[in-house]
Amino acid sequence: TQLLEQSPQFLSIQEGENLTVYCNSSSVFSSLQWYRQEPGEGPVLLVTVVTGGEVKKLKRLTFQFGDARKDSSLHITAAQPGDTGLYLCAGARQAGTALIFGKGTTLSVSS
Amino acid sequence: EPEVTQTPSHQVTQMGQEVILRCVPISNHLYFYWYRQILGQKVEFLVSFYNNEISEKSEIFDDQFSVERPDGSNFTLKIRSTKLEDSAMYFCASIRGGDYGYTFGSGTRLTVV
Repeated sequence: TQLLEQSPQFLSIQEGENLTVYCNSSSVFSSLQWYRQEPGEGPVLLVTVVTGGEVKKLKRLTFQFGDARKDSSLHITAAQPGDTGLYLCAGARQAGTALIFGKGTTLSVSS
Repeated sequence: EPEVTQTPSHQVTQMGQEVILRCVPISNHLYFYWYRQILGQKVEFLVSFYNNEISEKSEIFDDQFSVERPDGSNFTLKIRSTKLEDSAMYFCASIRGGDYGYTFGSGTRLTVV
């Protein structure tokens, strides 16, 4: 059974601080995706990474896929209260197959 | 921005009753999925559907569950005889193919009483 271990589970920081969320597995994934989920809503895709070592940037968010395609990280620079939410990583072992989700990281950024 | 539409947003049903959850995926997408999320737990895969048949299913997707794409537009999940433990948010998702990002609907909150 493939698992994605996401850490930390909870993170509470002050506005302006930097943070990193990690997503680790012992299995190789074809792609890894990061989502943000608001309460009572479906996950909204932030980014997909498919190449080992790939780095993608989305404004203050930097996503990295590990060289071996088993892990990924999400780094937020100068966090803002609007970044508060639940961040999910999810991997697919092959294109189009089921997504395996991590448990999520609940981020709280206070001003 | 194209979106996946799910109805109803909330459904309350009595244990043992049948429910049908409906989804309209994005029109040019080819792969369709159902996921569920029990309150406070992670999102879990139920079933994927491609080329008018189930392509993959999880252990959760037992004989009580079925999916259909009746008219080339809608994608439905039927639970024949609901149990209390079926209470969850059910999300439909679709993807064009390859490693493109999945688009999720806003979900149906199913409450079995």
